[in-house]
Amino acid sequence: GENVEQHPSTLSVQEGDSAVIKCTYSDSASNYFPWYKQELGKRPQLIIDIRSNVGEKKDQRIAVTLNKTAKHFSLHITETQPEDSAVYFCAASSPYGGATNKLIFGTGTLLAVQP
Amino acid sequence: KAGVTQTPRYLIKTRGQQVTLSCSPISGHRSVSWYQQTPGQGLQFLFEYFSETQRNKGNFPGRFSGRQFSNSRSEMNVSTLELGDSALYLCASSLEARPNTEAFFGQGTRLTVV
Repeated sequence: GENVEQHPSTLSVQEGDSAVIKCTYSDSASNYFPWYKQELGKRPQLIIDIRSNVGEKKDQRIAVTLNKTAKHFSLHITETQPEDSAVYFCAASSPYGGATNKLIFGTGTLLAVQP
Repeated sequence: KAGVTQTPRYLIKTRGQQVTLSCSPISGHRSVSWYQQTPGQGLQFLFEYFSETQRNKGNFPGRFSGRQFSNSRSEMNVSTLELGDSALYLCASSLEARPNTEAFFGQGTRLTVV
């Protein structure tokens, strides 16, 4: 069935360090992998996404890598800042149902950046 | 451009009642998806609508239903509320109903069932 596993569930880093969050998806037909950041009491916000035809994408301090063979994708945040503290969700597009934008989400990672 | 708007922001209902939540997508977006967010289960897909048609449905009981209007606004309804229905209900707006399409979330409706 459709499943996305996300690790770790909590991550604490010192300001300036790097943070890495990893996800594994179950269905090889998934072809779109967004990452969302959700601050306390706020909406999930799309921070970066990657499509299956590329292996890596960067946007300033954020990067995402995709290994289609292993069905892994990861979020990398460099030079972390206190404002990076939030819950991060990975997601994979559902390969079933044809014309659909259904996303399967990981269970989230609570990132705490200590000043 | 205005973002995704959900109303109301907060609701308190009693077991057995029904509730209707509303979502207005970003202007020009025709696809609306609904998700239930709980601490234990994370974000779970409820259903997706495109051009007034339900395109996909998650694994939720028939008490959960939805619809989409010609202006792309969407509503979801939960009948015979149970305590376990307490959650943050999020809707996501997309330009199209197909994979690879960016989805933008609203602020959510916090439903508490007592």
